[in-house]
Amino acid sequence: ETGVTQSPTHLIKTRGQQVTLRCSSQSGHNTVSWYQQALGQGPQFIFQYYREEENGRGNFPPRFSGLQFPNYSSELNVNALELDDSALYLCASSQQLSGGNYEQYFGPGTRLTVT
Amino acid sequence: EDKVVQSPLSLVVHEGDTVTLNCSYEVTNFRSLLWYKQEKKAPTFLFMLTSSGIEKKSGRLSSILDKKELFSILNITATQTGDSAVYLCAAAQGNTGKLIFGQGTTLQVKP
Repeated sequence: ETGVTQSPTHLIKTRGQQVTLRCSSQSGHNTVSWYQQALGQGPQFIFQYYREEENGRGNFPPRFSGLQFPNYSSELNVNALELDDSALYLCASSQQLSGGNYEQYFGPGTRLTVT
Repeated sequence: EDKVVQSPLSLVVHEGDTVTLNCSYEVTNFRSLLWYKQEKKAPTFLFMLTSSGIEKKSGRLSSILDKKELFSILNITATQTGDSAVYLCAAAQGNTGKLIFGQGTTLQVKP
């Protein structure tokens, strides 16, 4: 167990709707990164939040947005859902130190199905 | 374009066999190489490698990084059925440590 939690576990939405996914980081960690994992593929980086600011973004459209709260938990919001958004959404928690390398620990993920 | 390539994509072995999983990378501003095991959902952290030639070990698993040839290997000795999983390698990039993943190697260990 990593101490990283995500909710909900599963979610079914219809095309065009909006969804919010939540992640609680491991105690002592100040950074949350979000990844999308399609079936049979490796996870793809969506964005990262460090001390409540977006700190890097992957190749995802603006309808993917996020937040990080003072307790370092985070939300991923996706607007105008498309069928291709169906995937496992993973968050990874880490303690980012300036100039250092740091291990990233993943939560159990949220399985999103868009119909 | 940054990329991480794993081989083989799938592997079937019998209990007791030794396996070697490969990971090559071409990533700008490379920081470190990480290995994860994914059984159902959450990738479980195995190793982080930052220096060439220094083997990391944990029980029957070991891994090493070659920063000159841009690859890493993960070895599993005396495999068990519980080792059956997808093994992911990822290169951490830049100041964010953004992870760029390979496609994964699916390992099946038969009794």
